[in-house]
Amino acid sequence: DAGITQSPRHKVTETGTPVTLRCHQTENHRYMYWYRQDPGHGLRLIHYSYGVKDTDKGEVSDGYSVSRSKTEDFLLTLESATSSQTSVYFCAISETTGEGTDTQYFGPGTRLTVL
Amino acid sequence: GQNIDQPTEMTATEGAIVQINCTYQTSGFNGLFWYQQHAGEAPTFLSYNVLDGLEEKGRFSSFLSRSKGYSYLLLKELQMKDSASYLCAVRGTGGFKTIFGAGTRLFVKA
Repeated sequence: DAGITQSPRHKVTETGTPVTLRCHQTENHRYMYWYRQDPGHGLRLIHYSYGVKDTDKGEVSDGYSVSRSKTEDFLLTLESATSSQTSVYFCAISETTGEGTDTQYFGPGTRLTVL
Repeated sequence: GQNIDQPTEMTATEGAIVQINCTYQTSGFNGLFWYQQHAGEAPTFLSYNVLDGLEEKGRFSSFLSRSKGYSYLLLKELQMKDSASYLCAVRGTGGFKTIFGAGTRLFVKA
């Protein structure tokens, strides 16, 4: 299994508070992704990173920001949490993208509840 | 628009064969993935197809027809532990975007 950890694994917070989720990898993979997963929806891409300090938006990026200051860490911040951001958040990594297989390996997930 | 369709739920019997279909409409095509996800766990990679045809990997096989925008995952000799969601995902061209379907929940009964 790819070495990917996420912290915290569970969090309950209140509307309007900032929240930061952390993804840590030990695989030295260049590409990292944040997804959210909600019932009835597939995994939806929030943001991704293609290198240290290189990030870009995915399809559901509003209300979220990311940072990647080291290869191994990718942080997702909810600037002011809302109830619509209650979800399960998965981090993923991949070694290649574009050409090649680009298989993504997922972390264990963070279950976030915004009250 | 971009869309991936797969059945919401399927039920099959232990020891049987089940086929999970996936149809897609995406901006370009650069590979199709199948992932398995047990309840409360992370998705795990099962298979990858980029050319037409069948890829076999033990009890699991995956088929792709690019002209029809169609794939299926075939699970043989079903076991109880195969009860899970199966996610179809397509990578388009020109970037990092992989689109995931909502998944098919498979129930394997004794």
